[in-house]
Amino acid sequence: QKEVEQNSGPLSVPEGAIASLNCTYSDRGSQSFFWYRQYSGKSPELIMFIYSNGDKEDGRFTAQLNKASQYVSLLIRDSQPSDSATYLCAVPNQGGKLIFGQGTELSVKP
Amino acid sequence: ETGVTQTPRHLVMGMTNKKSLKCEQHLGHNAMYWYKQSAKKPLELMFVYNFKEQTENNSVPSRFSPECPNSSHLFLHLHTLQPEDSALYLCASSPGALQYTSGNTIYFGEGSWLTVV
Repeated sequence: QKEVEQNSGPLSVPEGAIASLNCTYSDRGSQSFFWYRQYSGKSPELIMFIYSNGDKEDGRFTAQLNKASQYVSLLIRDSQPSDSATYLCAVPNQGGKLIFGQGTELSVKP
Repeated sequence: ETGVTQTPRHLVMGMTNKKSLKCEQHLGHNAMYWYKQSAKKPLELMFVYNFKEQTENNSVPSRFSPECPNSSHLFLHLHTLQPEDSALYLCASSPGALQYTSGNTIYFGEGSWLTVV
């Protein structure tokens, strides 16, 4: 089992819709969870982190964490074409390494 | 501007060449990292430096040689590379090495695109 798993996509949503990106992780001891956004040809940039069960909202972004089920999601409301990018989930393992999923490519169609 | 600057942004080198990638962080962080990103693969951690001491070498071939003269600068020396080493090489920094609490995480530079011919 991969330490951090994401559906590679591409996920295509129409402009204005909600995009839902999912990530599962294998290490039950993980405490902090991060979402990075990577535009084509650019480096990853941090957009959200969450460490408590439940939801965390920041503007149009909502991160959802369910430690019992070992998944973390990122919802993007009112999706815009500028949200088109690859979204990377990152989870520290017990060895202290930040493990990245392979990313989900999101395409928002006008 | 991410606070982490990498040069060169693009590099094409032959398999017999020797070149270096440079990274500088202006964030006052104590830890620096090299990651490799190949197409359709997850980011791969290569090296970790904490207070300029190497704390992690993730089974990286010896043709990649890191150097960290101080907490703000990190180099990746390249020699006798293979075409499969062509990738985006990302430098990153964080307040402390491998500590991800309260949102502390790593911040990436813009990357150096390496092509080995």
